[in-house]
Amino acid sequence: DADVTQTPRNRITKTGKRIMLECSQTKGHDRMYWYRQDPGLGLRLIYYSFDVKDINKGEISDGYSVSRQAQAKFSLSLESAIPNQTALYFCATSGGTNYGYTFGSGTRLTVV
Amino acid sequence: QKEVEQNSGPLSVPEGAIASLNCTYSDRGSQSFFWYRQYSGKSPELIMSIYSNGDKEDGRFTAQLNKASQYVSLLIRDSQPSDSATYLCAVKVLNYGGSQGNLIFGKGTKLSVKP
Repeated sequence: DADVTQTPRNRITKTGKRIMLECSQTKGHDRMYWYRQDPGLGLRLIYYSFDVKDINKGEISDGYSVSRQAQAKFSLSLESAIPNQTALYFCATSGGTNYGYTFGSGTRLTVV
Repeated sequence: QKEVEQNSGPLSVPEGAIASLNCTYSDRGSQSFFWYRQYSGKSPELIMSIYSNGDKEDGRFTAQLNKASQYVSLLIRDSQPSDSATYLCAVKVLNYGGSQGNLIFGKGTKLSVKP
């Protein structure tokens, strides 16, 4: 099994719908992140969490919310999806300050 | 504004050649640097990390760091077509995300290795 698992892998949804993207990890890491990736814009941080009781906004948090249900689970919600939220979404984990990130396989989200 | 800059490419090299990928960063206090490889439609994969000035070698990959020039590079020796991917430079910035720091990613350099 993958260390960082994202579900679903692909999703098409309609404008205005609420959608949740889920992430779970088996690495035992405290730090978890949500990024979106758009062509030409690179990876942009949406939200991050350093432990279960810690939630922080990234550079593009508007229109998104998160929930850290457990050390191993970090979910991203789009309360009312809009077409410019069409992107590739990645969850990532990290073991600490001097460690790189381990990414999940990604969720390709299309909002029509 | 903390920034990580990379040439977007594409960088095209023949099979067997050395590919040289470059990255500059703006935060002089950065201490941790990473290179990721990302195949089209796939997730980024960590291939190298470097923390001290100088070179760090791992197989065909060499990371080079010069903190005074705020410059990180990745050399890929004996390039193979399977190395064709986008390479992302990432820098741990202490003031981005509080004192514990988060990674800022460059937009990536697309490498194409021609057989």
